[in-house]
Amino acid sequence: EDQVTQSPEALRLQEGESSSLNCSYTVSGLRGLFWYRQDPGKGPEFLFTLYSAGEEKEKERLKATLTKKESFLHITAPKPEDSATYLCAVQARGDTGRRALTFGSGTRLQVQP
Amino acid sequence: DVKVTQSSRYLVKRTGEKVFLECVQDMDHENMFWYRQDPGLGLRLIYFSYDVKMKEKGDIPEGYSVSREKKERFSLILESASTNQTSMYLCASSSSGIGAYEQYFGPGTRLTVT
Repeated sequence: EDQVTQSPEALRLQEGESSSLNCSYTVSGLRGLFWYRQDPGKGPEFLFTLYSAGEEKEKERLKATLTKKESFLHITAPKPEDSATYLCAVQARGDTGRRALTFGSGTRLQVQP
Repeated sequence: DVKVTQSSRYLVKRTGEKVFLECVQDMDHENMFWYRQDPGLGLRLIYFSYDVKMKEKGDIPEGYSVSREKKERFSLILESASTNQTSMYLCASSSSGIGAYEQYFGPGTRLTVT
């Protein structure tokens, strides 16, 4: 069974204080790993897809990296508007009939001015 | 931009009522999904569809059914609403194929069953 564990559950940072969010996964062959941002009361917003170990993607202050067992979302010099819940999800390669994602529980990030 | 819309942002229904949640996507995606999201439990898949009139059960299908008569529209039906179905319901869509395709989500429907 595919599993995704995110840590920490919650993180409070001062504006400008860089940090990383962790996503550990167990999957029977990784098709892709996805990062989403979710604001309160809204649907998740797609950020990145990573396909293989060693891959990196960047968008503004966010950088996602991938190893064979985990992914990190690095936040550099965060601003208050980066406050949100960040979700990690995986899609397995093996079962072609199942195209759904397995999600972690998320990391709730709060950036204080 | 991909757009996924859901028929209601907020719904309040009584126990035993039949409830319809509708989702429409404008990107000609083959796959559509219904999730529910609850605090501490994350997103859980209810049903998904990979083609018109085709559906598969997700992890928590009990108490729900779905309908996909047109490619762009995917409906979630609560046959007889119960209080434990109070939740945030999220619809998503994605392309299909050999690669990994991200899912695009709608804004969600907050359903309260009293």
